[in-house]
Amino acid sequence: NAGVTQTPKFRVLKTGQSMTLLCAQDMNHEYMYWYRQDPGMGLRLIHYSVGEGTTAKGEVPDGYNVSRLKKQNFLLGLESAAPSQTSVYFCASSGLAGGPDTQYFGPGTRLTVL
Amino acid sequence: AQSVTQPDIHITVSEGASLELRCNYSYGATPYLFWYVQSPGQGLQLLLKYFSGDTLVQGIKGFEAEFKRSQSSFNLRKPSVHWSDAAEYFCALMIKAAGNKLTFGGGTRVLVKP
Repeated sequence: NAGVTQTPKFRVLKTGQSMTLLCAQDMNHEYMYWYRQDPGMGLRLIHYSVGEGTTAKGEVPDGYNVSRLKKQNFLLGLESAAPSQTSVYFCASSGLAGGPDTQYFGPGTRLTVL
Repeated sequence: AQSVTQPDIHITVSEGASLELRCNYSYGATPYLFWYVQSPGQGLQLLLKYFSGDTLVQGIKGFEAEFKRSQSSFNLRKPSVHWSDAAEYFCALMIKAAGNKLTFGGGTRVLVKP
């Protein structure tokens, strides 16, 4: 049972390049989330999904897109990377639709945009 | 809008001493509250959570937290700190409405002196 995995672990981009971060969970969770972590700001929610085929905006969605074509996967895309998107990105998932539940986090992806 | 404040950015404590990390929240309804720990270069691990019931909750690694509605606080405590407790600690509030989204505090970094 791997829990929540993220690919890749590290990435360096040049301004204007695009990339996709992959999150996978093997816990059959309904809800999935993408956060970014910046020093002193905790984690901020980018986008989230409450089920396969659904997505919604979080607190800081600009410059990012997401897709949830399969229940176990949640993809985060950067179409044209900017230095302000240099951050550590975390994916999380939780299982209990309709009630409070624990979010389980992946190990993170460290992205640097030059 | 909801918010979570962790007033202490850094705390230094001697090994064997007690530790208390402060967390204050602002939210108009019943809060669901969490404490997570992040070791360097790692993802977030759940320490404990409060959904309802007993206001003193026990977690892993010898941590406990007390929910005080009158003070809008959810402080984390440990009676005797070990060197392995050096990490960053995040308090978070969950909104039970659509998506069970988490709002995080800015984090408190704990350094442990030998």
